[in-house]
Amino acid sequence: GEDVEQSLFLSVRERDSSVINCTYTDSSSTYLYWYKQEPGAGLQLLTYIFSNMDMKQDQRLTVLLNKKDKHLSLRIADTQTGDSAIYFCAESSGYSSASKIIFGSGTRLSIRP
Amino acid sequence: NAGVTQTPKFQVLKTGQSMTLQCAQDMNHEYMSWYRQDPGMGLRLIHYSVGAGITDQGEVPNGYNVSRSTTEDFPLRLLSAAPSQTSVYFCASSPVGTYNEQFFGPGTRLTVL
Repeated sequence: GEDVEQSLFLSVRERDSSVINCTYTDSSSTYLYWYKQEPGAGLQLLTYIFSNMDMKQDQRLTVLLNKKDKHLSLRIADTQTGDSAIYFCAESSGYSSASKIIFGSGTRLSIRP
Repeated sequence: NAGVTQTPKFQVLKTGQSMTLQCAQDMNHEYMSWYRQDPGMGLRLIHYSVGAGITDQGEVPNGYNVSRSTTEDFPLRLLSAAPSQTSVYFCASSPVGTYNEQFFGPGTRLTVL
């Protein structure tokens, strides 16, 4: 079945760039997402990319998609303490709101001074 | 808008007890879903609904029931709680339209003793 994999932990120094990586198996993915979960809260959509794009930039966030290798990454520039959270990669293979979304297990990003 | 609300925030049950986790949204979203989040396993879909009167099973439906009598409410019922159902439960809703953004509630932390 479909699967989304990501490493569980990442530690970066404040003001450095963070790069969180994700691989997925579904070759028919239409949308790929990055969600952020802060302590004690639900997930919140950070950004998404359509499968026919290879890059999307939004302020400090850059998403890179390598569809051939089924690899997605999220780069956070100038990492700040407020970026500490769990980041979930997810993919969807349909266009409607009922399309199944598969989540990875989440990468916990910690920031050191 | 309150967004997606869930009650209770915390619950402790004994094995064999039943209870209902409440979920409501005021965004007129057609699609609603329930996930459970376990350490190192990401989010797994329990049940979902594409509109009032329509529900369907997700990845891990056993031991749970749902109903959708209104667009706003999507309660999750545990029929006979088991320790394996100890988890954090998230309700989410999504509008019909592009990129399928899921809006998550704050979660219910359930412990079954």
